[in-house]
Formats: sequence, C-alpha cells, structure tokens
Amino acid sequence: NAGVTQTPKFQVLKTGQSMTLQCAQDMNHEYMSWYRQDPGMGLRLIHYSVGAGITDQGEVPNGYNVSRSTTEDFPLRLLSAAPSQTSVYFCASSFRLSYNSPLHFGNGTRLTVT
Amino acid sequence: QKEVEQDPGPLSVPEGAIVSLNCTYSNSAFQYFMWYRQYSRKGPELLMYTYSSGNKEDGRFTAQVDKSSKYISLFIRDSQPSDSATYLCAISNTGNQFYFGTGTSLTVIP
Repeated sequence: NAGVTQTPKFQVLKTGQSMTLQCAQDMNHEYMSWYRQDPGMGLRLIHYSVGAGITDQGEVPNGYNVSRSTTEDFPLRLLSAAPSQTSVYFCASSFRLSYNSPLHFGNGTRLTVT
Repeated sequence: QKEVEQDPGPLSVPEGAIVSLNCTYSNSAFQYFMWYRQYSRKGPELLMYTYSSGNKEDGRFTAQVDKSSKYISLFIRDSQPSDSATYLCAISNTGNQFYFGTGTSLTVIP
C-alpha cells in the first residue's frame, strides 16, 4: 500500500531554474494539497485541489503552479526558482475536505535553491 | 499574529515520564483540533483529532481542549523512546483549511 508518493526526495536548483515536484496517491482521495515546511514557520498551505480539474490557492501560492488532470496526481511546478523557495515540500491527501478526514502526508521533497 | 502558537522545545524526558505538549490559538471560531507526529525525515501522521472541549483518550495519548482559554494539550503517559519525534498541533474552523503549529521536538531517553 503505497499511500502518498513524492518524487524526487532531494533536489538542488540554481536560481531561475524551473522544476516539477511529483505527487501521486493510490487511495482514490478527492482532496490533495501541497505544503511547505520551514523552521519556525510550521506547515503552510501552497495550493490544494478538491478533485480533478479543480485547484485553488492556499496561504503562500506565489511562485508555484499546480494542475490536477487525474485523481491520482497533483504536481507542483516552480516556475523560476528563488532561494526563498528552499524548503521541505509535503504533499498531503484526504478522502474529502473535512476535519474528520485525516490528511495523509508523503515523506517530502527537500529542495535547495542556490 | 499566527493562528496557532506552539512551544518548539526541545523537550527531553526519561522513559516512563508523562509528557505534556501545548498549543494556544487566537480565534474562537476554530472548532477542530488535531495532533500529528512527525519522525525525522518523514511526513506528519495523524495521532488524534477532536472537535469538542474536554478530553479524548487513545491508549497512552490524551488530547485535551479548553475552548474558553483557547488552549489545547497532548499528554503522553508512560513515554517510550519510540515516542521521540516532533509533535505538531493543527486547528481548523470548517475543515477547509488547517493551520499547523511549528512543532515541539520530543526526545525520550531510555
């Protein structure tokens, strides 16, 4: 049972480069989301999706794009990487958007932008 | 002001001790309260959730909510070395967005 799978685990980018962080879940969850985790800041929501074809912005969306063409996949694109985007990125999914539908997290992608 | 504040620790206790982890929140509209555990280099995993004031128990873990004080706690009884992790509190008002604390790092010493 794979759960939420994130690739790559680690990535180093130069300022201005673009890349896509991959997230896939095999639990048929409607809701998927991206968070970034920074020391002293906690987990902050970047973008989320309540189903295929539907996405919305979270707390810190600038510099990131998302799309949801299938239920299973929710990639996060960095358009032009900046050092401020150095962080650990977590993808999370749940059966539906509800307080009692727990978030299942992947194991993160550690991104460094130089 | 952050929606939820959490003491980052670190906290170090001997095996068998009772651990108390705490968060405060700012808005009385928040109704749902969760605790997540995060091991090093892993994603957070849900430990407990509750939506009412009072206590909720699950094995060695007890979640406590005091809405009048806007204060939530997680107690761990008979702490074990395997409990060493970072504990994150999370709050939500409608279930649409979750606000996470910064996490408290706990080490249980054998």
